[in-house]
Amino acid sequence: LAKTTQPISMDSYEGQEVNITCSHNNIATNDYITWYQQFPSQGPRFIIQGYKTKVTNEVASLFIPADRKSSTLSLPRVSLSDTAVYYCLVGRNYGGSQGNLIFGKGTKLSVKP
Amino acid sequence: DADVTQTPRNRITKTGKRIMLECSQTKGHDRMYWYRQDPGLGLRLIYYSFDVKDINKGEISDGYSVSRQAQAKFSLSLESAIPNQTALYFCATSDSGWGNQPQHFGDGTRLSIL
Repeated sequence: LAKTTQPISMDSYEGQEVNITCSHNNIATNDYITWYQQFPSQGPRFIIQGYKTKVTNEVASLFIPADRKSSTLSLPRVSLSDTAVYYCLVGRNYGGSQGNLIFGKGTKLSVKP
Repeated sequence: DADVTQTPRNRITKTGKRIMLECSQTKGHDRMYWYRQDPGLGLRLIYYSFDVKDINKGEISDGYSVSRQAQAKFSLSLESAIPNQTALYFCATSDSGWGNQPQHFGDGTRLSIL
């Protein structure tokens, strides 16, 4: 089970780029890296997922170095509505690893005006 | 996610009562999950089911039981509720494809046990 470590909290200002790094030193060969966003009193929402290098969608980018022992979620030009908790999960559907079901405490991002 | 429906949305009950939280989905996913979230903490996995005949314990299954009545329905029961089970409960689903399939969450059930 790949354990993940992320900062407890981060502060930013509107319009800035925010990078949240997650460490997962014992990631397995076939594990994927998945990020979720959660607003208060709502269920988490999938943001982005990757296996290696870089993935980009309309919401965020995910950077994964060659050794895959960490990953960085990048949120471009954040707004107040990006204030939320962000979770990094590592795992895969098959092969015994259930790390993709373990959320941990996440990173609480606070965006200020 | 409106495709994952949890009932009730809120429930207040007394210690010792039996409670059932229900979850239904229209996404056609094989896999379903129950999590609880306490204030300031992340989500903790209670039980999960990869298909109708499969039930697995998660991190914190003690005091809980589940039933997978059909592909679309997964219910969580507290046989004898206690105050420290007061929490926000989430149901989630995911597809069973290769790699990793993201989870889709319901809006949660806020449970208070007095």
